[in-house]
Amino acid sequence: DVHLVQSGAELKKPGESLKISCKVSGDSFSNHYIGWVRQKPGNGLEWLAVIYPGDSETAYSPSVQGRVTISFDRSVTSVFLHWESLATSDSATYYCARWDYLGPGTQRYFNYWGQGTLVTVSS
Amino acid sequence: IQLTQSPSSLSASVGDRVTITCRASQGISTFLAWYQQKPGRAPKLLIYAASTLQSGVPSRFSGSGSGTDFTLTISSLQPEDFATYYCQQVDNYPLTFGGGTKVEIK
Repeated sequence: DVHLVQSGAELKKPGESLKISCKVSGDSFSNHYIGWVRQKPGNGLEWLAVIYPGDSETAYSPSVQGRVTISFDRSVTSVFLHWESLATSDSATYYCARWDYLGPGTQRYFNYWGQGTLVTVSS
Repeated sequence: IQLTQSPSSLSASVGDRVTITCRASQGISTFLAWYQQKPGRAPKLLIYAASTLQSGVPSRFSGSGSGTDFTLTISSLQPEDFATYYCQQVDNYPLTFGGGTKVEIK
């Protein structure tokens, strides 16, 4: 079974740094893309970034490019999302999800999801 | 690529047939997924490639469409189907979601 387990809720002040994690188990870590999706309170879903541990390929949404960094550590089969300097607008629930091909001729889709990490940024 | 879902919310009764639409701002072939999200829970993949039912999803859910116009249909609404539904395009970066459709109990 594939499981994605995320780190716990965070309460931070504006300007602080933060790194949240997503531990992936149950399948070959390096062979699957992992992405992050944000959901601000009362709002819809927003894709932020993806990474492929096999070759370190990354892609970012223009809305967060330069503000967040996606990374991984193969030794602990985990993917991370890092902010150098948080803003109140970063308050949201963050989900990691595995981005998989689900059949021949298809594109990738977010098939397995973590439970979400609530990040609150407030002075 | 922008995805416009309609309606943004609807009220329906158990047993009703429900249809949600998703329109893309440009053609995306069939590179579209539908997700269901319940309060406080992660989204769940229902349909991918516009019309393929994900394993374990009840057959009352179906998807159709290609190019710019897509539809999610629930043939007979069940109590556990009251949730918010999102479409998502995976044709190219940045991946985008529709604004969501909240299905509420009438």
